[in-house]
Amino acid sequence: EDQVTQSPEALRLQEGESSSLNCSYTVSGLRGLFWYRQDPGKGPEFLFTLYSAGEEKEKERLKATLTKKESFLHITAPKPEDSATYLCAVQNRRGAQKLVFGQGTRLTINP
Amino acid sequence: DTAVSQTPKYLVTQMGNDKSIKCEQNLGHDTMYWYKQDSKKFLKIMFSYNNKELIINETVPNRFSPKSPDKAHLNLHINSLELGDSAVYFCASSQDLGGPGTQYFGPGTRLTVL
Repeated sequence: EDQVTQSPEALRLQEGESSSLNCSYTVSGLRGLFWYRQDPGKGPEFLFTLYSAGEEKEKERLKATLTKKESFLHITAPKPEDSATYLCAVQNRRGAQKLVFGQGTRLTINP
Repeated sequence: DTAVSQTPKYLVTQMGNDKSIKCEQNLGHDTMYWYKQDSKKFLKIMFSYNNKELIINETVPNRFSPKSPDKAHLNLHINSLELGDSAVYFCASSQDLGGPGTQYFGPGTRLTVL
């Protein structure tokens, strides 16, 4: 069964303090690994899709990387508006398009 | 120009009642989904429809019945509501052209069963 574990559960940083969020996964044939951002009371907002080990994608202060067992979401010089829950999800190649999500990392950036 | 919309946003009801949640997408996607997010924030797939056909049906009680009148709409009807059904329900859609289509989520419906 596909499984995703995110760490840490919660992370508090000072504005400008860079860090990384971890997403460990087991999947029977990775079709794609997805990162989403979720603000309180809202739906998940798409950030990145990674397809194969070694791939990297960037958007503003965020960079996502992928290995065969885990993905990292690096946040560089974060701002308070980056505070949110970051969700990682995997999709396998077995035909059905469902996403299997981790429990998320709640990120708080203090000014 | 909302991409994926859901109604209502909040739903408070008594145990034993029947209720429906509606979802519409204007992205032209051919696949739609229902996810449930519990109190621990875990998002879990319930159903998916592709061009009005049921594709995924996870281990969800028979009290939950999705209906897709056309590929832009996917509604969720819940019979005999129970306390454990309290959660946030998200609709999503994607365009799957042979590869992993990105799923876009609606704003969610917070269901509270008293």
